[in-house]
Amino acid sequence: QSVLTQPPSVSGAPGQRVSISCTGSSSNIGAGYDVHWYQQLPGTAPKLLIYDSINRPSGVPDRFSGSNSGTSASLAITGLQAEDEADYYCQSYDSSLRGVFGTGTKVTVL
Amino acid sequence: EVQLVQSGTEVKKAGESLKISCKASGYSFTRYWIGWVRQMPGKGLEWMGIIYPGDSDTRYSPSFQGQGTISADKSITTAYLQWSSLKTSDTAMYYCARLTSGVQSPFDNWGQGTLVTVSS
Repeated sequence: QSVLTQPPSVSGAPGQRVSISCTGSSSNIGAGYDVHWYQQLPGTAPKLLIYDSINRPSGVPDRFSGSNSGTSASLAITGLQAEDEADYYCQSYDSSLRGVFGTGTKVTVL
Repeated sequence: EVQLVQSGTEVKKAGESLKISCKASGYSFTRYWIGWVRQMPGKGLEWMGIIYPGDSDTRYSPSFQGQGTISADKSITTAYLQWSSLKTSDTAMYYCARLTSGVQSPFDNWGQGTLVTVSS
């Protein structure tokens, strides 16, 4: 089961800012392991959105930003657009020597 | 261009064996970890395990130990996930994906997914 907890859903109107939290523990995020974020559009494979907590791969709009503090991380989407409606997952590494994903958050654009 | 192309949809019965594949191209296959991610119907992503094709070093999530075997054939730049006896609970979409560097790094390139359906 997931050891990184995310809210099941968040929503916002076009143009608004939404934030998704990713809560871990002292054996993963709190141990200093980086957090990565993925976007999964309906019916497609996940896409890397943020890596090493704050970095965007080439081609990812700067409307997406990441941060972390202590045992948690966050993904913010500013200037929300209809095309941002998707599932979002955080991912880190755990001292049990495995990668771990978050529970996932569905973003709805109202 | 990095590409990971997975084998097609599988429909099997419980107890049968199965091997799905992930053909890599566009990069040095032996120098990057490649992993498998499970997504059960309507559920989230699960990190199953990874393999380093250069020396076949394989790491499994404790949650998936014994629930599938990861392997790679560097001569044909292909990674595999196989089961000797499928269960209905193995029904899921399976993605292969490449890690950017070490075992803690993110998956930067993904296959299109292989849907496995196991009936009783």
